[in-house]
Amino acid sequence: QKEVEQNSGPLSVPEGAIASLNCTYSDRGSQSFFWYRQYSGKSPELIMSIYSNGDKEDGRFTAQLNKASQYVSLLIRDSQPSDSATYLCAPNQAGTALIFGKGTTLSVSS
Amino acid sequence: EPEVTQTPSHQVTQMGQEVILRCVPISNHLYFYWYRQILGQKVEFLVSFYNNEISEKSEIFDDQFSVERPDGSNFTLKIRSTKLEDSAMYFCASSDHRNEQFFGPGTRLTVL
Repeated sequence: QKEVEQNSGPLSVPEGAIASLNCTYSDRGSQSFFWYRQYSGKSPELIMSIYSNGDKEDGRFTAQLNKASQYVSLLIRDSQPSDSATYLCAPNQAGTALIFGKGTTLSVSS
Repeated sequence: EPEVTQTPSHQVTQMGQEVILRCVPISNHLYFYWYRQILGQKVEFLVSFYNNEISEKSEIFDDQFSVERPDGSNFTLKIRSTKLEDSAMYFCASSDHRNEQFFGPGTRLTVL
């Protein structure tokens, strides 16, 4: 059984702070790692993809991957109220379904 | 920017009726998926489709469900005899070989 574990939150941060979202996964065969953002009542939106160990930066977002520890994280710098959403981690093997955890709910206060 | 589209946005049906949910994936994508999300719960995988056949399905995807790609653009999910517990948001997604899956806006299915 493939499992994805995330702290459900809510994670509350003030505007301008760094939000740190963590995810552990059980499937050692995972090759791709995706972060999705889901606003209430909306569909998941792909915001980051990471495929190798280390850091990947895209604007205010940084994804970090450690395959040995089966751990992936997402940092959001200069958090904005518009970042308030549920963030879903999805480790994946190519061509297979995404297995989502319950996600972490982020609340950014102005 | 290309996107996945879904119709209808909201479908209301009576228990026992058949429904067909429609999706138009991104045009150069080869892999297609259906997921669902019951209110307040996590997104769950239903089925994946590649090269005109089902490549993977979950335990949820029983004989009441079927998928079809009737032409070069549409991808459909049929539920033959809806149950109350089928009420959920249904998301279609598509991906290329890198498996970055892009989701459509969803169809909210309400079974009365």
